[in-house]
Amino acid sequence: AQKITQTQPGMFVQEKEAVTLDCTYDTSDQSYGLFWYKQPSSGEMIFLIYQGSYDEQNATEGRYSLNFQKARKSANLVISASQLGDSAMYFCAMREPAYSGGGADGLTFGKGTHLIIQP
Amino acid sequence: DADVTQTPRNRITKTGKRIMLECSQTKGHDRMYWYRQDPGLGLQLIYYSFDVKDINKGEISDGYSVSRQAQAKFSLSLESAIPNQTALYFCATSDGQGADQPQHFGDGTRLSIL
Repeated sequence: AQKITQTQPGMFVQEKEAVTLDCTYDTSDQSYGLFWYKQPSSGEMIFLIYQGSYDEQNATEGRYSLNFQKARKSANLVISASQLGDSAMYFCAMREPAYSGGGADGLTFGKGTHLIIQP
Repeated sequence: DADVTQTPRNRITKTGKRIMLECSQTKGHDRMYWYRQDPGLGLQLIYYSFDVKDINKGEISDGYSVSRQAQAKFSLSLESAIPNQTALYFCATSDGQGADQPQHFGDGTRLSIL
């Protein structure tokens, strides 16, 4: 089973509208982190926002917020007032804690959502 | 200057050649990672290193090897490149072992194997 599922391969949104990118995850750990990254057409991976499994408040970073629903295992990214520069691939990722000699470290990524903002 | 630097940025080579991709970081992080990204997909973990003496395989390590020459340097080698290793390769670093630490990525190396 996939650990990170992003069900929207592509989305078209009008400029200045809000957009929600969906992400569901699967883990048996109690402690984990959820991340969103942006990948513009130039290819680099840009860290946007983080949500910890024990955080009671939804994370916010400027125009980005994370709608965290722990019981549903969802961590949707909300972009308010979208801009043309928001057009990019967006990846949801999860990190489960790992220790030297223990379980695997690294982020597990979803397949991404290609967001296109239209003028 | 970038905190995580990958060289080269682009490389085209032939099947069977040995290739090394290099990564250096100025963030002072202990943990370093190599990922590959195939078109239309997310990133997959190749290898990761907790420190200079501790290197571990990720989910797709076959056909790859790594070397952690120093805290700041982590290189990825393809001993005998094959066309299905054509991909975008990323190096990343992380501070600490907690699940709350983001990974910081280099700009990637586009590798094409003919």
